[in-house]
Amino acid sequence: DIVMTQTPLSLSVTPGQPASISCKSSESPLHSDGKTYLYWYLQKAGQSPQFLIYEVSNRFSGVPDRFSGSGSGTDFTLKISRVEAEDVGVYYCMQTIQLPWTFGQGTKVEIK
Amino acid sequence: QVLLVESEGGVVQPGGSLRLSCAASRFTFSNYAMHWIRQAPGKGLEWVAFIRYDGNDKYYGDSVKGRFTISRDNSKNTLYLQMNSLRPEDTAVYYCAKDPSSGPLMDVWGKGTTVTVSS
Repeated sequence: DIVMTQTPLSLSVTPGQPASISCKSSESPLHSDGKTYLYWYLQKAGQSPQFLIYEVSNRFSGVPDRFSGSGSGTDFTLKISRVEAEDVGVYYCMQTIQLPWTFGQGTKVEIK
Repeated sequence: QVLLVESEGGVVQPGGSLRLSCAASRFTFSNYAMHWIRQAPGKGLEWVAFIRYDGNDKYYGDSVKGRFTISRDNSKNTLYLQMNSLRPEDTAVYYCAKDPSSGPLMDVWGKGTTVTVSS
């Protein structure tokens, strides 16, 4: 199985400051079709996960532009340019290049 | 706006069975693949099962293979998860989620339903 490793596991950020989450996959999620099957989700407290980023760097509809994704190979990053109170929650990366599809263990973001 | 509503879960004894359903609305259900994902108490997300839009392809996570069966009834806009031989480690919140067909991935999730396996 592909193992997705996120760091850090928790992050405390001052509002207005940037935040960065790393996701490393044990194998590259790059497919021969040219797509990289790497995604990001946010789960706020008591809620179901919400979709943020698809194929490494594309924001889903309605996701604020302060969220950005980047990376290649086996190393990927989710960045929040200026953290707001509503960004608090647990962030997960996910790969679907290979079954079983797997998530990272999650990174908890909180406000200082 | 897409709506996915899971049926009520429940408490089941180890070795028992339970069927979850997920009622879909406000989109053309028969055009989209669907997933089940679960989250054990205090833990992260675990993908459980996938079914293609027409029901002809199904995939399962290793921990549920041979015990769980995903199915769908496109005439009723409903997704199912039949869970047999349940174990305490199957205790989790179970989410159904829609696949936008550019994946596999999940773009919209239901609110989830809690399944507890305990004697």
